[in-house]
Amino acid sequence: DTGVSQNPRHKITKRGQNVTFRCDPISEHNRLYWYRQTLGQGPEFLTYFQNEAQLEKSRLLSDRFSAERPKGSFSTLEIQRTEQGDSAMYLCASSLRSGAALPGELFFGEGSRLTVL
Amino acid sequence: GDSVTQMEGPVTLSEEAFLTINCTYTATGYPSLFWYVQYPGEGLQLLLKATKADDKGSNKGFEATYRKETTSFHLEKGSVQVSDSAVYFCALSVAGGYNKLIFGAGTRLAVHP
Repeated sequence: DTGVSQNPRHKITKRGQNVTFRCDPISEHNRLYWYRQTLGQGPEFLTYFQNEAQLEKSRLLSDRFSAERPKGSFSTLEIQRTEQGDSAMYLCASSLRSGAALPGELFFGEGSRLTVL
Repeated sequence: GDSVTQMEGPVTLSEEAFLTINCTYTATGYPSLFWYVQYPGEGLQLLLKATKADDKGSNKGFEATYRKETTSFHLEKGSVQVSDSAVYFCALSVAGGYNKLIFGAGTRLAVHP
């Protein structure tokens, strides 16, 4: 399967613990996005990478959140000192740079569900 | 700011019924408009798109027309199937926004035989 891969698929943790999610995008895609989706809502933009550069961070991404894409391939999203309000599905998507792809065609992974007890 | 509003669900239909899911948007620029679909247990997938006014996007029997005058992009299908049961998300992407998408809340569709 050559789609976007996310791990782990489900993480249950206690409040105050740190968690890390990993995203492996489609190999030729140089753009990578993280979104958060809570129950009954649409995905909300968190952050965006072009290659290894993090070019935008949403104000939803508090200081407890950090995302990296060290070699412009896979990406990690770490949440420190988790809170119950962090419980959500964290979605990763990738795309080609505009001009080489249909505008707005993001390819999404199946998501990593976080439950904070 | 930019936003998308879509009709609340769930929408429950019998097989072969006509489907409309309403979507309206607010954008400061000239957006591209999209419908994404999420089938049970799967990731979001692009269903169709339109990049300028009066464009009609279509795929798998679904259609939506970009109406600038009413800032709308309603999704329609003439005859739904059980396999169309999913959550449908309307989204926009502002030009120059590196494909950053702003989504509506989603509309769950349930089709019964």
